[in-house]
Amino acid sequence: AIRMTQSPSSLSASTGDRVTITCRASQGISSYLAWYQQKPGKAPKLLIYAASTLQSGVPSRFSGSGSGTDFTLTISCLQSEDFATYYCQQYYSYPPTFGQGTKLEIK
Amino acid sequence: EVQLVESGGGLVQPGGSLRLSCAASGFTFSSYWMSWVRQAPGKGLEWVANIKQDGSEKYYVDSVKGRFTISRDNAKNSLYLQMNSLRAEDTAVYYCARNDHDYGDYWGQGTLVTVSS
Repeated sequence: AIRMTQSPSSLSASTGDRVTITCRASQGISSYLAWYQQKPGKAPKLLIYAASTLQSGVPSRFSGSGSGTDFTLTISCLQSEDFATYYCQQYYSYPPTFGQGTKLEIK
Repeated sequence: EVQLVESGGGLVQPGGSLRLSCAASGFTFSSYWMSWVRQAPGKGLEWVANIKQDGSEKYYVDSVKGRFTISRDNAKNSLYLQMNSLRAEDTAVYYCARNDHDYGDYWGQGTLVTVSS
């Protein structure tokens, strides 16, 4: 199975900050990467697919980039509702696998 | 509006069985692959299984192969997960998700399965 490694595991930031979360795949996955946001007690919400395509309804302050093995999720100008845990997921090959998550906390 | 509502979770003893259901509405259920994804308490997400639109293809994570069976009833707009020989490590919130190219674009609220004596 392809291993997905996110960094950092946790991150403290303030409202208005720009933050970047990194996801690395153990082998090349082209652009078959999705990003999700999950708030406590809630289901994951799809933010980005195909590494850089914003899901309908997701604010434009979220952006994704990368291909091959290295990917980033950037949130420009953090809002209070963005404090959550973020997961990447590869869907290049079975089984689909997730990163361990990055918890974004208020500084 | 796309809605996915899971049910069937609960407390079960090790070695027991449980059947989860997911009722879908707001989209043409028979046109989508569907998945089950789980999350152990305080842990990350783990894909469990998925099923093709007509049920002809099914895939499972190695840890549940031979114990779990995914199925669907397109006439009832429902997805199922039959879980047998349950282990403590199967304890998790189980989510059903609509698939778009093997990622989940819509998710249910989840149902908690606890395996404990």
